[in-house]
Amino acid sequence: EIVLTQSPGTLSLSPGERATLSCRASQSVSNSFLAWYQQKVGQAPRLLIYAASSRATGIPDRFSGSGSGTDFTLAISRLEPEDFAVYYCQQYGSSPLTFGGGTKVEIK
Amino acid sequence: EVQLVESGGDLVQPGGSLRLSCAASGFTFKSYAMSWVRQAPGKGLEWVSSISGSGGSTYYADSVKGRFTISRDNSENTVYVQMNSLRVEDTALYYCAKGQVASAGFIRFDPWGQGTLVTVSS
Repeated sequence: EIVLTQSPGTLSLSPGERATLSCRASQSVSNSFLAWYQQKVGQAPRLLIYAASSRATGIPDRFSGSGSGTDFTLAISRLEPEDFAVYYCQQYGSSPLTFGGGTKVEIK
Repeated sequence: EVQLVESGGDLVQPGGSLRLSCAASGFTFKSYAMSWVRQAPGKGLEWVSSISGSGGSTYYADSVKGRFTISRDNSENTVYVQMNSLRVEDTALYYCAKGQVASAGFIRFDPWGQGTLVTVSS
């Protein structure tokens, strides 16, 4: 099983700042099948990024993903008020499918 | 617009059973794998089970293998999960999610339903 470790656990930033979230895998993620989701309080998760760097439909270009192998990053170039949420990574390159523990991006 | 609506969540005693349903609309249901993902209160996301578009292939997390059974009715555009021998640790919000292809082995989840709450307690 691939274990995904997200860091930091909490990121305290102000609107307009850049956010950088990390997702590290315990072994290489096949085909860079790594996705990122955003979950706001009381809502279902929403797909942001798939295949490490492709934005899902309707996702603003301030969200970008990068990485390969075992190290992946989600960047939010300029935080908007609606971006404060919890972010999860998920690998779908091998079974079982696994999620990271999440990074909370909170308002400083 | 793709819509996924879960139902069937309830309070059940340990050792009990429950069947969750997810009604789908807005896409060609039989062409996509479907999954269940759960979230315990205040915790992260855990993949539970997936089923291929045809229903011929199913996958389970070790934590539910042998207790949960996923199935689908492509004529009714609905996916189910039958949950038996429920444990306190199965308490969670259960989400239904659509895969990106028909095969269920390696899928991401998009979109998700709003979830249905399962509480296992005496």
